[in-house]
Amino acid sequence: TQLLEQSPQFLSIQEGENLTVYCNSSSVFSSLQWYRQEPGEGPVLLVTVVTGGEVKKLKRLTFQFGDARKDSSLHITAAQPGDTGLYLCAGDRTGGTSYGKLTFGQGTILTVHP
Amino acid sequence: DAEITQSPRHKITETGRQVTLACHQTWNHNNMFWYRQDLGHGLRLIHYSYGVQDTNKGEVSDGYSVSRSNTEDLPLTLESAASSQTSVYFCASRGDRAPDTQYFGPGTRLTVL
Repeated sequence: TQLLEQSPQFLSIQEGENLTVYCNSSSVFSSLQWYRQEPGEGPVLLVTVVTGGEVKKLKRLTFQFGDARKDSSLHITAAQPGDTGLYLCAGDRTGGTSYGKLTFGQGTILTVHP
Repeated sequence: DAEITQSPRHKITETGRQVTLACHQTWNHNNMFWYRQDLGHGLRLIHYSYGVQDTNKGEVSDGYSVSRSNTEDLPLTLESAASSQTSVYFCASRGDRAPDTQYFGPGTRLTVL
């Protein structure tokens, strides 16, 4: 059972376009993390959102955590070829026996064409 | 600088053989994790450890085992490799604060023929 549904799975856009990746769940998470992964490397953390309704910005990337802490989105403004990569969302149910056990979405492969 | 390393980076083995993948971290983290990554599934948790002598099963633990004899290392063993275990394997470690960054190794690409 996939507890975190990430969409779309593939995204191919032109440089300068905007895009949004969604991460949805029926479960509540204590925090939601977004990672970016390059070919041949491990995922690297971009941001962690903790509070329901929280919005964080990282240059052209905007991350939002849903009010109920069940969903999140990643919005990229004016995408550039350097944004190409695999983006992963991961939910963290920190606490008790669940500490650090991340539940990952399926991932979104983003390709930005020059 | 602290880091997390995995070896080998690539491995080809035959069905039925025992295989051990190494993971070593210098963050001095108590918490370590093994994931496998397959297209369409993201990363799925295999085993994890919260400290020396502690090991726990994740969601896809069948056919895998781990042992934790020190803080730095969490080797993953495939008891009898199967073709379904062809995948990319990632080790990760994390500190004790919540929330905290989980640091991933570079991965091991395993092919079982």
